[in-house]
Amino acid sequence: GENVEQHPSTLSVQEGDSAVIKCTYSDSASNYFPWYKQELGKRPQLIIDIRSNVGEKKDQRIAVTLNKTAKHFSLHITETQPEDSAVYFCAASSYNNNDMRFGAGTRLTVKP
Amino acid sequence: NAGVTQTPKFRILKIGQSMTLQCAQDMNHNYMYWYRQDPGMGLKLIYYSVGAGITDKGEVPNGYNVSRSTTEDFPLRLELAAPSQTSVYFCASSYRTGTTGGLTQYFGPGTRLTVL
Repeated sequence: GENVEQHPSTLSVQEGDSAVIKCTYSDSASNYFPWYKQELGKRPQLIIDIRSNVGEKKDQRIAVTLNKTAKHFSLHITETQPEDSAVYFCAASSYNNNDMRFGAGTRLTVKP
Repeated sequence: NAGVTQTPKFRILKIGQSMTLQCAQDMNHNYMYWYRQDPGMGLKLIYYSVGAGITDKGEVPNGYNVSRSTTEDFPLRLELAAPSQTSVYFCASSYRTGTTGGLTQYFGPGTRLTVL
């Protein structure tokens, strides 16, 4: 089955800096890669996703890139703000599987 | 739309007790999932369902059972609670866009379970 690895496990940045979180996946059939943000005590919420037919997607300060050849995808947050502090999860699923596998999460801390 | 709802929000069980965690969605999604999240850890898939009457095991199914008699409801049953089942349980639902599209998941608010 699919295996998703996520790095780093913790990330601390200064407000205004950029943050990058990287994930790798094992199943070459995976074609959908969402990113979730989970604030303390809350449910995971989808912040951005990318499908395998595109290499990059942007939404304001958040972008995701995908390298299918290397089987890795990354989340980029620019101009970080304290409210970006949370745990971020990457995930992967494929068209021939009905489940989704999550990375272990990255705890991002943005220091004011 | 209420989205995905879960009850109860919190529960404390004694070892050996049983309980059912309720999950319901009003988005007419075919796919539903149960995850557990241990403190400071990621999401582990317990069971999932692709439609009424169909369920499949995930990564960590031992100690749990599920049923899916309707599209809307997907209860999770713990038969003999153990301290190792202390966790936050999230239910999620999703849909697939077309036959090859991705499974965008929508999570419920979670149930915090403690087994003492």
